[in-house]
Amino acid sequence: GAVVSQHPSWVICKSGTSVKIECRSLDFQATTMFWYRQFPKQSLMLMATSNEGSKATYEQGVEKDKFLINHASLTLSTLTVTSAHPEDSSFYICSARALWRGNTIYFGEGSWLTVV
Amino acid sequence: GESVGLHLPTLSVQEGDNSIINCAYSNSASDYFIWYKQESGKGPQFIIDIRSNMDKRQGQRVTVLLNKTVKHLSLQIAATQPGDSAVYFCAENSGGSNYKLTFGKGTLLTVNP
Repeated sequence: GAVVSQHPSWVICKSGTSVKIECRSLDFQATTMFWYRQFPKQSLMLMATSNEGSKATYEQGVEKDKFLINHASLTLSTLTVTSAHPEDSSFYICSARALWRGNTIYFGEGSWLTVV
Repeated sequence: GESVGLHLPTLSVQEGDNSIINCAYSNSASDYFIWYKQESGKGPQFIIDIRSNMDKRQGQRVTVLLNKTVKHLSLQIAATQPGDSAVYFCAENSGGSNYKLTFGKGTLLTVNP
């Protein structure tokens, strides 16, 4: 079946540094990928929509200069958290739209970010 | 604004019983709905989806019902097993052709052996 892979699964970084999270669609091409953020015991909050070859579309309240999204190929989107702060610590999840499967949305396993 | 919500935040059932998880939506223009299962510390796992031109769809041990009249979505799990314990989210397509999903709050399902 369709698989979406995220890397790293978890990462610890120091305040002020940047960290990159990758999202790959392993067996299908994804023209559209999405990035979510999830706090403990809460629902998923959409951060941005990533379209291959174009700029990401950010949701209201999400800082595009802080959360850089790149979708350079049909199978890879990256989220870079710049100048990370402890309040950026969260569970980040990506998803990808599988056109070949009736636009079913598949999610990655998520990436835990802890900023110390 | 319009949103997707859940009636019950928690649901506890006995192993072998059937489970029903409910979801209300308010966006009458939504045309695609999905149920996801999320286990602790993991990403959401696709369970089943349904489009607005259908009112019922069945999968393996799961059935999704859509009532557009009252804007209600439900997930039925037959013969619930301990492995079904997780948080279940309903989501609706609020982004038209881009399939941008809006998630409900989630229901924690606990299956007691």
